[in-house]
Amino acid sequence: EAQVTQNPRYLITVTGKKLTVTCSQNMNHEYMSWYRQDPGLGLRQIYYSMNVEVTDKGDVPEGYKVSRKEKRNFPLILESPSPNQTSLYFCASSLIWGSSGGVSYNEQFFGPGTRLTVL
Amino acid sequence: AQKITQTQPGMFVQEKEAVTLDCTYDTSDPSYGLFWYKQPSSGEMIFLIYQGSYDQQNATEGRYSLNFQKARKSANLVISASQLGDSAMYFCAMRESRGTYKYIFGTGTRLKVLA
Repeated sequence: EAQVTQNPRYLITVTGKKLTVTCSQNMNHEYMSWYRQDPGLGLRQIYYSMNVEVTDKGDVPEGYKVSRKEKRNFPLILESPSPNQTSLYFCASSLIWGSSGGVSYNEQFFGPGTRLTVL
Repeated sequence: AQKITQTQPGMFVQEKEAVTLDCTYDTSDPSYGLFWYKQPSSGEMIFLIYQGSYDQQNATEGRYSLNFQKARKSANLVISASQLGDSAMYFCAMRESRGTYKYIFGTGTRLKVLA
């Protein structure tokens, strides 16, 4: 089954304790992205990656790091989490161009979300 | 700066009626893409429809259509024959095309379909 997986789904942590949220996709997509969703603010893009070893900042990258060492994985790292990073996080992936299996590059597939609470 | 505006925080519609969710955008890029996503109460994000800035015709996908008015910079989502399962949060989004693949989302519209 084509999917984007995220782990963990729920996490409660304390300020300053480094954490990693993993994201993996099995669709051979070049593009991967992280978003955070906050009430009243919609989704905001944190980082995105056009391919292996190619990453770029979205609108709210402060306090986050990413890496793209393999095509299928795109972990989100919070080196020193703070309470203002409490949020619902989504990973997403898509093709970068064209289509495959009837799915065009315009369709982003989202993971189920990770609800993070930083105390 | 690129921006997406959804001015309707919440809307009600009667089952089987049509409903329009508003979305306006701002960009200086002549090439861009516009998207609508649905987020049910279960939380997943579901892609609904896409419109390219150079597309001559409005996009349609089943009961969803996108009313694209380029001069007015609007990309409204029209849902025909609303169903109870359409109750959800709906997000409009834009993708820049200037060599980047940044996405910008609106704040969303919560739609409630009444029986």
